[in-house]
Amino acid sequence: QQQVKQSPQSLIVQKGGISIINCAYENTAFDYFPWYQQFPGKGPALLIAIRPDVSEKKEGRFTISFNKSAKQFSLHIMDSQPGDSATYFCAASSSGGYQKVTFGIGTKLQVIP
Amino acid sequence: KAGVTQTPRYLIKTRGQQVTLSCSPISGHRSVSWYQQTPGQGLQFLFEYFSETQRNKGNFPGRFSGRQFSNSRSEMNVSTLELGDSALYLCASSWAANTDTQYFGPGTRLTVL
Repeated sequence: QQQVKQSPQSLIVQKGGISIINCAYENTAFDYFPWYQQFPGKGPALLIAIRPDVSEKKEGRFTISFNKSAKQFSLHIMDSQPGDSATYFCAASSSGGYQKVTFGIGTKLQVIP
Repeated sequence: KAGVTQTPRYLIKTRGQQVTLSCSPISGHRSVSWYQQTPGQGLQFLFEYFSETQRNKGNFPGRFSGRQFSNSRSEMNVSTLELGDSALYLCASSWAANTDTQYFGPGTRLTVL
């Protein structure tokens, strides 16, 4: 059962364009939503994270938008660069109890010059 | 501060064999989680250990097991290997809570022939 649905699974964007990756969740107990970036041969690394008390969080060229009522959140990469080419994972977890972190299936982003 | 280390980085085994993978978390981190990463399934949660106790477990068969030592180092074991066990196995450590940042190691690439 996929509790966090991520789309698209692959994305090709031109340099300077905007990359958008969407995620949807089902469990209303989730209250922490991180995004991870993974380069080939490396483990995932935290990129940016948001909690549901805010609707948007921006760090440099990376922005998370969060819609609590729709149970959806998305990652926007502005002015996409070839160095952003990587696989991106959205995730969700709950601070209550000992629930695990649930990851989306991943989006392979390719930024072409 | 040293990152999460995993050994070995690559492993080739044959069906029916067993394998043990090792993970050394970041110093001071008490939580260690294991994930299986495959192209079609993304990151699948195996289990999490905290202070030598298994705190969470994913939906994997009993052939997959793990343990954590008093120094927080962790091992996972897969017995009676199957072809479908071929994957990248990632270890992640964090301080304690579910919403703490997880720091991933580079993974162990297991190939089952």
